[in-house]
Amino acid sequence: EAGVVQSPRYKIIEKKQPVAFWCNPISGHNTLYWYRQNLGQGPELLIRYENEEAVDDSQLPKDRFSAERLKGVDSTLKIQPAELGDSAVYLCASSLAGGLGYNEQFFGPGTRLTVL
Amino acid sequence: AQSVTQPDIHITVSEGASLELRCNYSYGATPYLFWYVQSPGQGLQLLLKYFSGDTLVQGIKGFEAEFKRSQSSFNLRKPSVHWSDAAEYFCAVGGTGGGNKLTFGTGTQLKVEL
Repeated sequence: EAGVVQSPRYKIIEKKQPVAFWCNPISGHNTLYWYRQNLGQGPELLIRYENEEAVDDSQLPKDRFSAERLKGVDSTLKIQPAELGDSAVYLCASSLAGGLGYNEQFFGPGTRLTVL
Repeated sequence: AQSVTQPDIHITVSEGASLELRCNYSYGATPYLFWYVQSPGQGLQLLLKYFSGDTLVQGIKGFEAEFKRSQSSFNLRKPSVHWSDAAEYFCAVGGTGGGNKLTFGTGTQLKVEL
């Protein structure tokens, strides 16, 4: 079974340019997460989707970041315009939804963004 | 609010030596605890998890961790380290409240000397 797929793996852009990251979750996983991992830090949640609904976007910088998950499968995270401080690894994860217990999150390889 | 502290930023051990990585957590209820490993350019791989029951949990690659509620700790151990274990290790805490939210520590970079 394929894992979480992310593209591109690496992206280098100049500041003030737009950039987009794509994520394809594990088949059947209704919950999708976007994390940002700064250098030397652990991942921090940006946004969580349940199907196509963003149920937790409290940590998403909404002035320049946007995300969408049309049709409740693939998702795109966009930054416009990018700033130097946006350089980080952007991780996508997915999990099953619902139930009484904890649903394990499975992570993709991430997109490493460098803003010059 | 939930939080995780990993007090050791870098650890160096010799191949074949034992390893212990420290993790302390703060969580209002019974926590779900995780250890992930991240190799350069790779995503996070789950090593092991604690949900309930036996406080000593076994994971992949010969790792184990012990949950100690009285110390709010979940330390990762391995009796004999291999050179391929060199990577960054993250402890995380989560729960069913807040929609499976995971909070990660800042990570411990492990270097293995041959």
